[in-house]
Amino acid sequence: AAGVIQSPRHLIKEKRETATLKCYPIPRHDTVYWYQQGPGQDPQFLISFYEKMQSDKGSIPDRFSAQQFSDYHSELNMSSLELGDSALYFCASSLGRGNTGELFFGEGSRLTVL
Amino acid sequence: SQQGEEDPQALSIQEGENATMNCSYKTSINNLQWYRQNSGRGLVHLILIRSNEREKHSGRLRVTLDTSKKSSSLLITASRAADTASYFCATVDNDMRFGAGTRLTVKP
Repeated sequence: AAGVIQSPRHLIKEKRETATLKCYPIPRHDTVYWYQQGPGQDPQFLISFYEKMQSDKGSIPDRFSAQQFSDYHSELNMSSLELGDSALYFCASSLGRGNTGELFFGEGSRLTVL
Repeated sequence: SQQGEEDPQALSIQEGENATMNCSYKTSINNLQWYRQNSGRGLVHLILIRSNEREKHSGRLRVTLDTSKKSSSLLITASRAADTASYFCATVDNDMRFGAGTRLTVKP
């Protein structure tokens, strides 16, 4: 069965550069979530989208932005990268919001900022 | 939205023993979900328990929910080394937030 696809899986950037992460949800899933997980840390909720509209916003820096497109894939754009942005970024998708069912996670995109 | 808070933060047991992890939350919920994460991997859904349920089983997993105490527990019976992972609970208001997980180590 198709799973959540994230790309790229690994990304190395310099400080102050820009990075874009992509997430392709499971077909027919209409909700996408983004999480950031620093080394040894727990996943921190960044932002979510439901039916292409921003649903909820967590601890997402102003330097980051995201959107969900008409085909339901989502992109997380990160600008003016800082060393502290180095983390594993997870995308998850669900059919309907999480209050109706489970989230399916991708394998993550590992961002390293040098 | 609210976060589930895990207890204990770390747990180390021998293979074959049972592992119990607890989660507390703050306000009313529709459901509570448990997830597992192997190091560096994506989270995997284990079980969902609805607010009108008190107990649910899935294989070696047993989850309880006490809405009066706003708490849930995850019991893994007859643990295996492969159960070594971090375990998170998540409660849902409109969206999913995870609290601090329990890092379980099962020694062979």
